[in-house]
Amino acid sequence: AQKITQTQPGMFVQEKEAVTLDCTYDTSDQSYGLFWYKQPSSGEMIFLIYQGSYDEQNATEGRYSLNFQKARKSANLVISASQLGDSAMYFCAMTWRKDSSYKLIFGSGTRLLVRP
Amino acid sequence: DTGVSQNPRHKITKRGQNVTFRCDPISEHNRLYWYRQTLGQGPEFLTYFQNEAQLEKSRLLSDRFSAERPKGSFSTLEIQRTEQGDSAMYLCASSFPLTGVSGAREEQYFGPGTRLTVT
Repeated sequence: AQKITQTQPGMFVQEKEAVTLDCTYDTSDQSYGLFWYKQPSSGEMIFLIYQGSYDEQNATEGRYSLNFQKARKSANLVISASQLGDSAMYFCAMTWRKDSSYKLIFGSGTRLLVRP
Repeated sequence: DTGVSQNPRHKITKRGQNVTFRCDPISEHNRLYWYRQTLGQGPEFLTYFQNEAQLEKSRLLSDRFSAERPKGSFSTLEIQRTEQGDSAMYLCASSFPLTGVSGAREEQYFGPGTRLTVT
């Protein structure tokens, strides 16, 4: 069965520094996708970055990069130059194709607080 | 605003009452998902529609829950005889499959959610 594990319930980072949020996953499928979402206090899930299982290079989106280590089944999110607005919950998620569905399974999340 | 919308944003109800939530997806998206998120947890999949067909339901979706998507447009999620354990954020997401991409890529766009409180 597919599973996502986020072992850091909460993290602090100083403004302008980089931070790494951990995510490990478990699946027997060869074709899958990994996502990171940001959820501010307003509740909306905001897509940050995607990594496909066959991608050889790590994904990057602006200040976000995904450190994909397939053999270790890890997909850590790196946020560079943290900003106060980065304070939020962050969820790692995985999808795979089952019939026509690409449902997401999520980890339990990491709450990031950026200190001024 | 052409994003996913959900109504109402907040709902407070007494135990035993029925509630219905509505989700309006992005117009060209033919796939629609419902998730439930309890406090301090990540969202959990409830059900999936492709056009008007409900193709997958989670075991979390008990007999008191029903979802519809008439004509493949908006969707409704109804909870009958609500219980305090139903208190959660109910999230809707819509998507359109991407082709020619690596892995399993389908970017789901989430609505703002409906927060249900059962007293």
